[in-house]
Amino acid sequence: AQSVAQPEDQVNVAEGNPLTVKCTYSVSGNPYLFWYVQYPNRGLQFLLKYITGDNLVKGSYGFEAEFNKSQTSFHLKKPSALVSDSALYFCAVRDGSGGSYIPTFGRGTSLIVHP
Amino acid sequence: DTEVTQTPKHLVMGMTNKKSLKCEQHMGHRAMYWYKQKAKKPPELMFVYSYEKLSINESVPSRFSPECPNSSLLNLHLHALQPEDSALYLCASSQGFDRSFNQPQHFGDGTRLSIL
Repeated sequence: AQSVAQPEDQVNVAEGNPLTVKCTYSVSGNPYLFWYVQYPNRGLQFLLKYITGDNLVKGSYGFEAEFNKSQTSFHLKKPSALVSDSALYFCAVRDGSGGSYIPTFGRGTSLIVHP
Repeated sequence: DTEVTQTPKHLVMGMTNKKSLKCEQHMGHRAMYWYKQKAKKPPELMFVYSYEKLSINESVPSRFSPECPNSSLLNLHLHALQPEDSALYLCASSQGFDRSFNQPQHFGDGTRLSIL
């Protein structure tokens, strides 16, 4: 079985401050982890993924995420938030060792960046 | 601009109408997906096609009928929908439908469907 949790419905941050959007996961085998962003009236856009290798993954628009196996977490981070980063963020997980081919999405976290 | 194109962007239909949603991708992807998304919720998987064959049907009511005419096109035929079917319908594609593939899904911008 695979599951993913995003514990925060909403994250508020001031422009220029660092931001973190949290994600924890559960899989039987090796996790394939993804972050997507959804802007209003748009589809989901891929930001970054972790499959193997370095625990710090860099993605689009200055975002990065840190894979922590012991804490089963994959938090999304950005050093300096922009108002234009305001959007809905989804974490997704797929069990890379078998099981479902389809990723499971978290419930989403709404990021609001205040000017 | 997204690489997965969905038409129409908006659709309003009555409960007795028949309409179709269309999705097209030219990335050579062999897996295509239909999702339903309610406001501020994660997308819910409806159907998956792999190599133009229906692989997964997540117990979707028969008033939704998917079709994959070729590797680039995916349709969703709608008939006798209910008001609770009003949602954003997203199409997605990915390189393959295989354990060895770890590539992300590419999403279209969706069709916003309203049932009167």
